[in-house]
Amino acid sequence: EVQLVESGGGLVQPGGSLRLSCAASGFTFDAYWMTWVRQAPGKGLERMANIKNDGSETWYVDSVKGRFTISRDNAKNSLYLQMNGLRAEDTALYFCARDVGWQQFDSWGQGTLVTVSS
Amino acid sequence: QSALTQPPSASGSPGQSVTISCTGTSSDIGKYKYVSWYQHHPGKAPKLMIYDVNKRPSGVPDRFSGSKSGNTASLTVSGLQAEDEADYYCASYGALGIFGSGTKVTVL
Repeated sequence: EVQLVESGGGLVQPGGSLRLSCAASGFTFDAYWMTWVRQAPGKGLERMANIKNDGSETWYVDSVKGRFTISRDNAKNSLYLQMNGLRAEDTALYFCARDVGWQQFDSWGQGTLVTVSS
Repeated sequence: QSALTQPPSASGSPGQSVTISCTGTSSDIGKYKYVSWYQHHPGKAPKLMIYDVNKRPSGVPDRFSGSKSGNTASLTVSGLQAEDEADYYCASYGALGIFGSGTKVTVL
């Protein structure tokens, strides 16, 4: 069974940092692109960043470029999101998702909540 | 701001059908056959319901169907059930932001 489990969320002050993790199991992790998607309170889904299966390519939505870094450790079947310079508008539930091709996502984690507030 | 536009809400009585539209452009929905639909109960993991415009993943009831015409994709839920009440998002390869604006489906 495919499983994705996010962790690392929490309350952080504006300007602070957090590192989210996504532990994958039940599939060949290094065969898939992976994506972080977030949902701000009362808002829709927003694709934020993705990474190629071997880590050689990444993409970011403009609003997080230069602040967030997506990475992966295929030996540990894990996906990461390093978030620096956090802003109130980054407050959201963050999901990791498996991309089965052409940015279609067949497996999702339950999400980890990030709250940016003083 | 999403490039794919969905109606904010849709509703139907149990047993009825509801169709949700997703309007894009000739650069996304009109160009690619990679349209997907997701069911999202708040606080839970989104679930893939349709991919490649009209294919259902294993385990998704055949009450859910997808289609596309020109720059507009549609999701139809037939035989509405209480558990179908959720937010639904479309997505298309090539679309700005990938995901649509979302539609809240209410089962009356």
